[in-house]
Amino acid sequence: AQKVTQAQTEISVVEKEDVTLDCVYETRDTTYYLFWYKQPPSGELVFLIRRNSFDEQNEISGRYSWNFQKSTSSFNFTITASQVVDSAVYFCALSEAGNYGQNFVFGPGTRLSVLP
Amino acid sequence: DTEVTQTPKHLVMGMTNKKSLKCEQHMGHRAMYWYKQKAKKPPELMFVYSYEKLSINESVPSRFSPECPNSSLLNLHLHALQPEDSALYLCASSQGPGHNTGELFFGEGSRLTVL
Repeated sequence: AQKVTQAQTEISVVEKEDVTLDCVYETRDTTYYLFWYKQPPSGELVFLIRRNSFDEQNEISGRYSWNFQKSTSSFNFTITASQVVDSAVYFCALSEAGNYGQNFVFGPGTRLSVLP
Repeated sequence: DTEVTQTPKHLVMGMTNKKSLKCEQHMGHRAMYWYKQKAKKPPELMFVYSYEKLSINESVPSRFSPECPNSSLLNLHLHALQPEDSALYLCASSQGPGHNTGELFFGEGSRLTVL
């Protein structure tokens, strides 16, 4: 069975600090997809990144970076020089290959507060 | 701007009312979803439509009745709800069967309060 764990329930940082959100997953499939979504107070879930299980290259997009390590089943998310607008709940999620979204598994989420 | 549009954004209803939530997408996606999200929890899957047919019902009470009139529209009809049904209801879409990246696109949600 699939499972996604985000051990950090809440994190508070001061603006301009770097922060890493942890994600650990479990799956028996060899082909799967990992995602990060951001949910600001407005409620919408905003897609941030998708990574497939065969691509372990780390990715950087502006202040955001992702570290995918299959050996530890982790897909961690780092925000560099955090800003107040980064305050949101962040969800890590997993979808196994062959599923078109119907077995999308969310982690419990990490609430990030960036203080001015 | 999100490409999945939900209306209304906020809804307050009594336990005897009948109301509907609406969702629309114009990305040509063939799978659409209803999720329920309680405060401080991740979204929970309620229903999945694939090619306008209901493919998954996660044991949702019959007071929630989904409808997919066409590939772009998804409704959720509400009747005789309970206060514990108050939550954020999220609609999502994905490309559908044959496209197995599984990426979901979400709307902004409809925040429902049942009095």
